[in-house]
Amino acid sequence: AQSVAQPEDQVNVAEGNPLTVKCTYSVSGNPYLFWYVQYPNRGLQFLLKYITGDNLVKGSYGFEAEFNKSQTSFHLKKPSALVSDSALYFCAVRDGTNAGNMLTFGGGTRLMVKP
Amino acid sequence: DTAVSQTPKYLVTQMGNDKSIKCEQNLGHDTMYWYKQDSKKFLKIMFSYNNKELIINETVPNRFSPKSPDKAHLNLHINSLELGDSAVYFCASSQVFSYGTSGLHEQYFGPGTRLTVT
Repeated sequence: AQSVAQPEDQVNVAEGNPLTVKCTYSVSGNPYLFWYVQYPNRGLQFLLKYITGDNLVKGSYGFEAEFNKSQTSFHLKKPSALVSDSALYFCAVRDGTNAGNMLTFGGGTRLMVKP
Repeated sequence: DTAVSQTPKYLVTQMGNDKSIKCEQNLGHDTMYWYKQDSKKFLKIMFSYNNKELIINETVPNRFSPKSPDKAHLNLHINSLELGDSAVYFCASSQVFSYGTSGLHEQYFGPGTRLTVT
């Protein structure tokens, strides 16, 4: 079975400061990892993914994530936060043997960026 | 153009009723999904479906059933609605069955349908 943990319910950061949203995962095969963002009353939007290759993945809106196999982590980062980045962020995983491409999501982390 | 659309956006109904939520995608994807997001924002996969197979999350009650009239549509039917069914339901789609792995697997989500059962 696959699982995802986002240990922080909320992350607070000042505008202009770097941000990190943490994610750890557990899968039985090779992991496919994703980050999605949800703005209020909206559906989820894809940010970035790790399938294979470079451990540092760059995505939309200046976000990036680092895949660390030994620590089974896939933390989301941004060098300089914007107030408009405030939203709910979800990490998700799918293992390589998963039938139906079904994703397992973490519980979400609310990012609050203050001016 | 809206990539994944759902109707209705809001649905308020009484316990015991049967209701449907419609989903359409214009991305040409071969797989569609339904997710449930509860009041604590926890997101859970309910179904994965393409024209070959339906994968059901084993925790989903059989009162819930997906129905696909064609590749671009996956509707969600719910029978005998219960209070605990109140949630936001998201439809999604992705391209899965292709050669290689690049450019695959991310899912595109609809705007959600907020279901309230009273």
